[in-house]
Amino acid sequence: SQQGEEDPQALSIQEGENATMNCSYKTSINNLQWYRQNSGRGLVHLILIRSNEREKHSGRLRVTLDTSKKSSSLLITASRAADTASYFCATDGYSGGGADGLTFGKGTHLIIQP
Amino acid sequence: DTEVTQTPKHLVMGMTNKKSLKCEQHMGHRAMYWYKQKAKKPPELMFVYSYEKLSINESVPSRFSPECPNSSLLNLHLHALQPEDSALYLCASSQIGGVNTGELFFGEGSRLTVL
Repeated sequence: SQQGEEDPQALSIQEGENATMNCSYKTSINNLQWYRQNSGRGLVHLILIRSNEREKHSGRLRVTLDTSKKSSSLLITASRAADTASYFCATDGYSGGGADGLTFGKGTHLIIQP
Repeated sequence: DTEVTQTPKHLVMGMTNKKSLKCEQHMGHRAMYWYKQKAKKPPELMFVYSYEKLSINESVPSRFSPECPNSSLLNLHLHALQPEDSALYLCASSQIGGVNTGELFFGEGSRLTVL
């Protein structure tokens, strides 16, 4: 099965700075999503970008998708202490077949220093 | 109501016990999922019910048994678990299932400890 690989695995920045996380995946997708998880809690959906889209914005979030490189990036602008969390990319769609559910990448743990 | 509710929040069980995790959603979603998450790891898909059809992840041991009594409820029956099964078990739902899965709505998880 395919799996997204995020980098960096951990990122620590000062409040107010921008945070960029990257994700790479292996096979064809229908869409790519980003989720956030506070420590030990459930995941919260942030944004979905379809395979025919190149960029999408939602508030302080900007997501890009490059299907030729099989990669995506998540940019959080003007970071806040409350943005401290783990961020996962997730992909669906399996080339040549079908399967339900999302496959999650390894995640980036983001720490915002006040 | 946009919640996925999981019970119990915490569960401690011995290796000979039989217990169940429960999940409920009232959003009219037609697909429900069980994920397992170990510390500092991503969630791993265990089972999917999509339009009340079960998709099985073949790497899941038979000591985990899912049940979907109706489109709003999802159970995970646990029997003869091992200490390495200790993890956060996450339930999620989506409006539709299939290969073009949209947004997943997650519950807060059930933290399982196997002694």
